[in-house]
Amino acid sequence: NAGVTQTPKFQVLKTGQSMTLQCAQDMNHNSMYWYRQDPGMGLRLIYYSASEGTTDKGEVPNGYNVSRLNKREFSLRLESAAPSQTSVYFCASKNTIGTDTQYFGPGTRLTVL
Amino acid sequence: QQQVKQSPQSLIVQKGGISIINCAYENTAFDYFPWYQQFPGKGPALLIAIRPDVSEKKEGRFTISFNKSAKQFSLHIMDSQPGDSATYFCAASPRGTSYGKLTFGQGTILTVHP
Repeated sequence: NAGVTQTPKFQVLKTGQSMTLQCAQDMNHNSMYWYRQDPGMGLRLIYYSASEGTTDKGEVPNGYNVSRLNKREFSLRLESAAPSQTSVYFCASKNTIGTDTQYFGPGTRLTVL
Repeated sequence: QQQVKQSPQSLIVQKGGISIINCAYENTAFDYFPWYQQFPGKGPALLIAIRPDVSEKKEGRFTISFNKSAKQFSLHIMDSQPGDSATYFCAASPRGTSYGKLTFGQGTILTVHP
């Protein structure tokens, strides 16, 4: 039982390049989330998927797109990376029944030059 | 718009002391208030959580105090240990949805000196 896994762990991009961050969970959770963490700003919600087949914008969605590929996988895509997107990205998942706990992955550290 | 404000930004405590971190919220629709603990290079992990129907919740050395009228809640770490050194985030989510979107505070870096 690996919980929430994220790939890659580290990535360096040049401005304008694109990339996809991958997230998978093996806990059979319905809801999944993407956050970014910046110093002094806590974690901010980028996008979330309340259930398979649905996605919605969070607090800071500009410059990002997401895909809920199936119940296990939720990817985050940067179409044209900007230096302002340099951050640590966390994926999380949550069951919608019986618990309020979100479980976080280990994060992806992204640098955009 | 920061709906959950956390203080202090950093905190240094001696081993055996009490660490106190405070959060204030604005949205009266919030009804779930967790605290997450994050070690360097790791993702956040739930430490303890409370709902507004109680004023205090204790789990081991960790206690949440909740003041609904003041819209404030705090984390108390008793007998702080060097292993408690981490970043702590408060958060809140509103009632009425099963998917529970969390709004996080800015985080507090806690250092416990031996």
